[in-house]
Amino acid sequence: AQKITQTQPGMFVQEKEAVTLDCTYDTSDPSYGLFWYKQPSSGEMIFLIYQGSYDQQNATEGRYSLNFQKARKSANLVISASQLGDSAMYFCAMRGTDSSYKLIFGSGTRLLVRP
Amino acid sequence: DTGVSQDPRHKITKRGQNVTFRCDPISEHNRLYWYRQTLGQGPEFLTYFQNEAQLEKSRLLSDRFSAERPKGSFSTLEIQRTEQGDSAMYLCASSLAPGVGEQYFGPGTRLTVT
Repeated sequence: AQKITQTQPGMFVQEKEAVTLDCTYDTSDPSYGLFWYKQPSSGEMIFLIYQGSYDQQNATEGRYSLNFQKARKSANLVISASQLGDSAMYFCAMRGTDSSYKLIFGSGTRLLVRP
Repeated sequence: DTGVSQDPRHKITKRGQNVTFRCDPISEHNRLYWYRQTLGQGPEFLTYFQNEAQLEKSRLLSDRFSAERPKGSFSTLEIQRTEQGDSAMYLCASSLAPGVGEQYFGPGTRLTVT
């Protein structure tokens, strides 16, 4: 069975500093995709970054980068130069390996950026 | 390019009543997903459509739940005889098949059953 684990219920970071949000996953399938989504208090899930299991390089999107360590089955999100608007819930997700491509989410990490 | 929209954004209903939610996906997306998110948890998959065909239903989707996607456009999720345990955020997402890209989520419908 596939599973996503996020062990940090809450994190604080000072504005303009970098922060790492942890995510570990479990799957027996060699082909999978990993996603990070941001959920502000408004409720909408906002896509941040994607990493495919066969991608050779770590994904980056602006201030977001994904530290993909395949052997450790970890896919940590790094946010550089934190901004007050980064305060939100962050979810790590894995795309299912069946034809549904449904997403399997972790329990999330609440990030609070301090001014 | 308009995003995924959901209606209503909030719904308060009494236990035992029926409720229906609507989701309008991004127009060229032929896959549509429904998820449920309870407080403090990540979203959980409920069901999905490829065009108008409902291809998978989670065990979370009891007999009181039904979803449709007529003509492969918008989708509705109906809950009959609501229970307090149905209180949650119901999220809709759409994507291009075969789902290589990300799923785009709507703002969700927050249901409160009193």
